[in-house]
Amino acid sequence: QVQLQESGPGLVKPAQTLSLTCTVSGESLDSGVYYWSWVRQHPGKGLEWIGYIYYYGSPHYNPSLKSRVSISVDTSKNQFTLTLSSVTAADTAVYFCAKGEGGTNHDFGNWGPGTLVSVSS
Amino acid sequence: QSVLTQPPSVSGAPGQTVTVSCTGDSSNIGAGFGVHWYQQFPGTAPKLLIYGSRHRHSGVPDRFSGSQSGASASLAITGLQAEDEAVYYCQSYDMNLRGLLFGGGTKLTVL
Repeated sequence: QVQLQESGPGLVKPAQTLSLTCTVSGESLDSGVYYWSWVRQHPGKGLEWIGYIYYYGSPHYNPSLKSRVSISVDTSKNQFTLTLSSVTAADTAVYFCAKGEGGTNHDFGNWGPGTLVSVSS
Repeated sequence: QSVLTQPPSVSGAPGQTVTVSCTGDSSNIGAGFGVHWYQQFPGTAPKLLIYGSRHRHSGVPDRFSGSQSGASASLAITGLQAEDEAVYYCQSYDMNLRGLLFGGGTKLTVL
């Protein structure tokens, strides 16, 4: 049973860098099978794909965030990390990590519970 | 800008059948990319219902079914139950975005 859990600060100041970690249990990040992803949801709004990292390829990001986002993997801890720089109030959202399966058009069968990040001074 | 368009809301009485549509274009669903459907309750993470347009995820009741035609896809829920009241999202791949795209979500109300 794969489980994912997000962790990180719940409050970030404007212009600073948001960093969240997803700890995965029940599956190895270096299995090379899955797309380890981040999705966010602004308060009361829909879902927005942020990006993914695939062990045997380069990370891939939503073009709208590409200049500010980075996703990396730490296989020793079985964690992957989202970094979003120069945050503004528009980055206030619930951030989910998820396991993607099924190639480029992958679906997300496993999600973390999500963590709310507020951007405010 | 690529979008997947869903109706903001649908409703139905218990026992009835409702469908949720998801309309894309030639850069996503119309290009043949499959559609995935999720159910989300307030304050929780989305749950995968349907993948690849018509395949039910493990443990999903057969009251939920998916279909795809041209640049559109649909999620049908038969034998509507009060517990089905949630927000439903479609998702696919978009060639222009070169990434994943979610629909805006549809709020299902069980009357």
